[in-house]
Parts: sequence; structure tokens; C-alpha cells
Amino acid sequence: QKEVEQDPGPLSVPEGAIVSLNCTYSNSAFQYFMWYRQYSRKGPELLMYTYSSGNKEDGRFTAQVDKSSKYISLFIRDSQPSDSATYLCAMKKSYGQNFVFGPGTRLSVLP
Amino acid sequence: AAGVIQSPRHLIKEKRETATLKCYPIPRHDTVYWYQQGPGQDPQFLISFYEKMQSDKGSIPDRFSAQQFSDYHSELNMSSLELGDSALYFCASSLEGVLAEGNTGELFFGEGSRLTVL
Repeated sequence: QKEVEQDPGPLSVPEGAIVSLNCTYSNSAFQYFMWYRQYSRKGPELLMYTYSSGNKEDGRFTAQVDKSSKYISLFIRDSQPSDSATYLCAMKKSYGQNFVFGPGTRLSVLP
Repeated sequence: AAGVIQSPRHLIKEKRETATLKCYPIPRHDTVYWYQQGPGQDPQFLISFYEKMQSDKGSIPDRFSAQQFSDYHSELNMSSLELGDSALYFCASSLEGVLAEGNTGELFFGEGSRLTVL
């Protein structure tokens, strides 16, 4: 079993929909959580960063962390075709350590 | 703003050859990470350096080595290349050293170097 699990999708939604992307993890030591967007053949682009539990909002994106359930989410409001990409969650235990990635969820937003 | 720079962007090698990938982190970032990403796979951590010293090691084959130089750029050397080494190799950088717990540096990726082994 991988440390970080993520539904690989593909997830197809109509333009304007609210998208919910999720990751679960097994190691309670993870404290730092990030979401990345990756277009085909491009480097991952950092979208959101949260530390410990709680919510964080940035424009159309909201990140939630529930450490008690070992569950993190990324919500995308008013989804656009340009949001079509693979979304990767990443997490790490302590500063200075490496990040562990989920397998990614492929999202398609249909016009 | 300056980003992580990787070179070359594309590289084609034959089996048993050697390849070297270079990474220039974001200015003032003190930590460099190398990741390998196969087709349809998530990035797999290879190795990281903090202030020119190896800080963590992941699933890096013994045929691979890496180092970080005095100007903070890093190189990943791959020898005796195998077909299975064909992948996207990402370098990422962050600022870790001056931060306290709870304020970790965000990780920024380069555009990657695509290695094809024939």
C-alpha cells in the first residue's frame, strides 16, 4: 500500500462545475500538504500549500486538511477547460525532508 | 520571477551510455531535489541536497549519482543507462534552512529533462 493514495480518474466535469479532488494518507507524521497541477510533459506547478489542519482559499481554489481522518481535499470552483490537467497531492513530515506524492488525478473540464 | 532551470530539456542516449542532467535552483534556495517521473506515474523521489550536502535519499539506483556545487546548482549523473531509465527527470528547489517548523519552504519544480534511452 502506498503512503499516499489518490483516485487516478479520469474525472470529467462540465465547465463551471465544482471539482473535488482528494488524497488519503497513512502516516500521521505528515504535516505539510501541497497541491500541484501538471499539464502533459510539463513540470508540476504549485497551487496550494497548507500546514497542519484547516482550510486555505486562493481564488477559485480551496484546500482542506483533516489530519484526524488523514484526508486532504482540493476544491476548484467555476472550473474552466484550462483546468484540465493532472492534479498531484504532495506531503512531507518535517522541514528538510523530501515530499511524497500521490499518483495524481486526471481532470477533464468539458466546454 | 526566476524559476528552476533544467538542462538539457531533451536527451537521447543508447543503452549503457552515460548522461548528465543539470539543475539551477531558484536564487537563494538552499535545497535541491531530484525526482523521476515515468509515463502516467507520480514523481518518485531520488535524492536531495541541502547546502551542498546530501540530505535525503530515495529510490536512486546505484548507477546514478548526484551532487550540489558551491553555486548551488546540482547535477545528476546516470551511467550504464537502461531502457527503464527513460523518463522525465525533474529538479525542484526550496528554501528550508532559515525556516522553523510550521513554515516549510514551498517546493518549486523545473520543466524537466526528458531522457529517452534507445
